[in-house]
Amino acid sequence: KAGVTQTPRYLIKTRGQQVTLSCSPISGHRSVSWYQQTPGQGLQFLFEYFSETQRNKGNFPGRFSGRQFSNSRSEMNVSTLELGDSALYLCASSLSELRGEAFFGQGTRLTVV
Amino acid sequence: SQQGEEDPQALSIQEGENATMNCSYKTSINNLQWYRQNSGRGLVHLILIRSNEREKHSGRLRVTLDTSKKSSSLLITASRAADTASYFCATGFTGGGNKLTFGTGTQLKVEL
Repeated sequence: KAGVTQTPRYLIKTRGQQVTLSCSPISGHRSVSWYQQTPGQGLQFLFEYFSETQRNKGNFPGRFSGRQFSNSRSEMNVSTLELGDSALYLCASSLSELRGEAFFGQGTRLTVV
Repeated sequence: SQQGEEDPQALSIQEGENATMNCSYKTSINNLQWYRQNSGRGLVHLILIRSNEREKHSGRLRVTLDTSKKSSSLLITASRAADTASYFCATGFTGGGNKLTFGTGTQLKVEL
């Protein structure tokens, strides 16, 4: 069974630009969550999508948005990039809330210059 | 903000020794999970313990959960150099979907 795939792996963007990150969950998993990891703030929850609906949202500004498609693939968008958005963005897929385990992709390393 | 703290922040041991990491959290939970992360890569799920469980084993891993103290510990027995990584606890909440709140992490270094 293929794992969680995130693309691209690395990205360099300029302040003010926007970026879209992609995540393909494990086949059969309908829940996709996104996390931001930085040295200063650690791992922070961005949002969760389940069956194309945003189910939970973390405490991030509206510049951070996401969506999920009918095949459960998810995208995350960050508009008007700031230097502080430089981070490792991790996607996790889960089978169900009852099971609980999350399976993570390798992440997208975003650098904003 | 993060749910809890882990201690120690860093731990250095010799191969073959046991490593113990502790996690404290702040609110009621549905489950607590431990993850491993190698050098800025993705997180690997290690073990999940539910709020009504007190202890769980998986291979060389042993996890305990004390909901009255809002704390958990992860014991890795007979550590190997390949266990060198950062370890994070994460908590899930009833009604929280699959949202996980992570601790600050423990950096484990196992030396030959």
